[in-house]
Amino acid sequence: DQQVKQNSPSLSVQEGRISILNCDYTNSMFDYFLWYKKYPAEGPTFLISISSIKDKNEDGRFTVFLNKSAKHLSLHIVPSQPGDSAVYFCAALKGGSNYKLTFGKGTLLTVNP
Amino acid sequence: GAGVSQTPSNKVTEKGKYVELRCDPISGHTALYWYRQSLGQGPEFLIYFQGTGAADDSGLPNDRFFAVRPEGSVSTLKIQRTERGDSAVYLCASSLTAENNEQFFGPGTRLTVL
Repeated sequence: DQQVKQNSPSLSVQEGRISILNCDYTNSMFDYFLWYKKYPAEGPTFLISISSIKDKNEDGRFTVFLNKSAKHLSLHIVPSQPGDSAVYFCAALKGGSNYKLTFGKGTLLTVNP
Repeated sequence: GAGVSQTPSNKVTEKGKYVELRCDPISGHTALYWYRQSLGQGPEFLIYFQGTGAADDSGLPNDRFFAVRPEGSVSTLKIQRTERGDSAVYLCASSLTAENNEQFFGPGTRLTVL
């Protein structure tokens, strides 16, 4: 069973517009969430994270929002750039086992010039 | 600086053969992790090393899979009697300590079992 779900396999946006990538989780024991970005033939690279005690974390063009009651988080990229085109993975960690990342299936973001 | 490196980048083998996949973590990182990414899926946890010891091997799918890290640096993932279902990208990651949540991933080894 998928404990971290990314229901959109792909997303296409225009350069300069906002990209919103969504992620849902089922396990209430998760207390730390991360977004990774992956280019073809490379490993995932860490992008941004959020602790369950917060509802928002911002880093430049990237903002992650967490809605604990809905078990939902989203990554906002604004403005989107063609270099942002990649697969984005949502991942989660459980308290007490803070190394075992549980990943979603990923969303392929394409930013069109 | 040097990131996590993995060799080989691609490995093609026949069903029933034995394979070894190597991971060189970032220098000074004490924690090392192996994940497996099957087609269309996200990475799935296999095993975690703290230093030389396997602190958590709960993700290894069966006893054909084994991993070592004898000197607390380089790690080798070993797969015996490979099966077609083992075909996947095997990712290695390392972090400064296990309590440091940022895991740095290598480019992976794409294993194809014919």
